Amino acid sequence: QVQLQESGPGLVKPSDTLSLTCTVSSYSISNNNWWGWMRQPPGKRLEWVGYIRSGGSTTYNPSLESRVTMSVDTSKNQFSLKLSSVTAVDTAIYYCARKEPGNWFGLWGQGTLVTVSS
Amino acid sequence: EIVMTQSPATLSVSPGERATLSCRASQSVSSNLAWYQHKPGQAPRLLIYGASTRATSIPARFSGSGSGTEFTLTISSLQSEDFAIYYCQQYNEWPLFTFGPGTKVDIK
Repeated sequence: QVQLQESGPGLVKPSDTLSLTCTVSSYSISNNNWWGWMRQPPGKRLEWVGYIRSGGSTTYNPSLESRVTMSVDTSKNQFSLKLSSVTAVDTAIYYCARKEPGNWFGLWGQGTLVTVSS
Repeated sequence: EIVMTQSPATLSVSPGERATLSCRASQSVSSNLAWYQHKPGQAPRLLIYGASTRATSIPARFSGSGSGTEFTLTISSLQSEDFAIYYCQQYNEWPLFTFGPGTKVDIK
């Protein structure tokens, strides 16, 4: 059964870099999918952070583009998110997901809460 | 950016009853709309894509309809496991996908 699992620190200090990894099980990350990060701040709606393909192509939310870097490690079947210079507004549950060729998100991780606080 | 709205914010339903959830787009998204079910602490689950196509393993009591700017998710007879938050998402314009604020379905 295909699963996605986010991992990373649950607490990040302001101005530091948030780093998360999504591990994909029972499905090759090298298949023809885009892989995405979404987030949901407390009380707000889901928003997309960015997407990446196994070849390394990326597309980022313009509102976050200057601070976001995504990467893929095909040997570990993982993809990662780095968000630099975080502030309290970056506090959110972060989800990784598999985008299907038709553009909906067929599979999601359960999410991980990242709190930005000193 | 296409803004998605959902109504009602909360829907209180008794088990066995029908639930009708609405989703509206600020401009036409054709049939490029998905519905997800989300229970806190769990992974969101794809229910419907293409506005009306059930995803794999989704029970027939879930159905979607609509196109353009108005969409509906219907749960024909609510089961205990259906109490959750439901989100709609438009994917009409890559990569600018947007989500609705969600409808919480709780027990009446």
